[in-house]
Amino acid sequence: GDSVTQMEGPVTLSEEAFLTINCTYTATGYPSLFWYVQYPGEGLQLLLKATKADDKGSNKGFEATYRKETTSFHLEKGSVQVSDSAVYFCALLRDFSGNQFYFGTGTSLTVIP
Amino acid sequence: ETGVTQSPTHLIKTRGQQVTLRCSSQSGHNTVSWYQQALGQGPQFIFQYYREEENGRGNFPPRFSGLQFPNYSSELNVNALELDDSALYLCASSHGGLAGDEQFFGPGTRLTVL
Repeated sequence: GDSVTQMEGPVTLSEEAFLTINCTYTATGYPSLFWYVQYPGEGLQLLLKATKADDKGSNKGFEATYRKETTSFHLEKGSVQVSDSAVYFCALLRDFSGNQFYFGTGTSLTVIP
Repeated sequence: ETGVTQSPTHLIKTRGQQVTLRCSSQSGHNTVSWYQQALGQGPQFIFQYYREEENGRGNFPPRFSGLQFPNYSSELNVNALELDDSALYLCASSHGGLAGDEQFFGPGTRLTVL
């Protein structure tokens, strides 16, 4: 079945460090891929998405490229800030019956000054 | 524009009881999805309602049921509560019930079953 595997956390980085959070997926067909972020005490917020192979999603300095050949959608940011501390979820939405998100287990990021 | 709201924020129940959680969708949205997020896990899809009809269901038993009202708000009902039902329940709204629609999430209801 469809699934998403995320890099285990927690991740702790110093401010201005480079961030990579790995995400790989298993799905039939051509799913859309998403990164959601969950700040403490809040609901999930869409960070970025990509709907087809080789698309790059970007937002707030974060980027992820849909790689069909490696079934990956790794999240990157060149210089993290303390305000980026949150839990990050990779998710996929299957095509054709695409009303059900499959989420990874989440990666907790803490950025220290 | 009002975002997705959920009530109550927290709830404590005992095994065997029944619970109703509520969700108000974002203005202009006619689709509501419910997810269960156990501690340390990603959200798991329970079901979706589109224009008052169930529009897809995840791998949850029938004691998880739902409703959507004409104003597109929604309820999640869980009967015969079990300890493993303790989780954060998230509601998400979107427009159109179509594949790929962005879903806007509420802050969740934290349910504890003792």
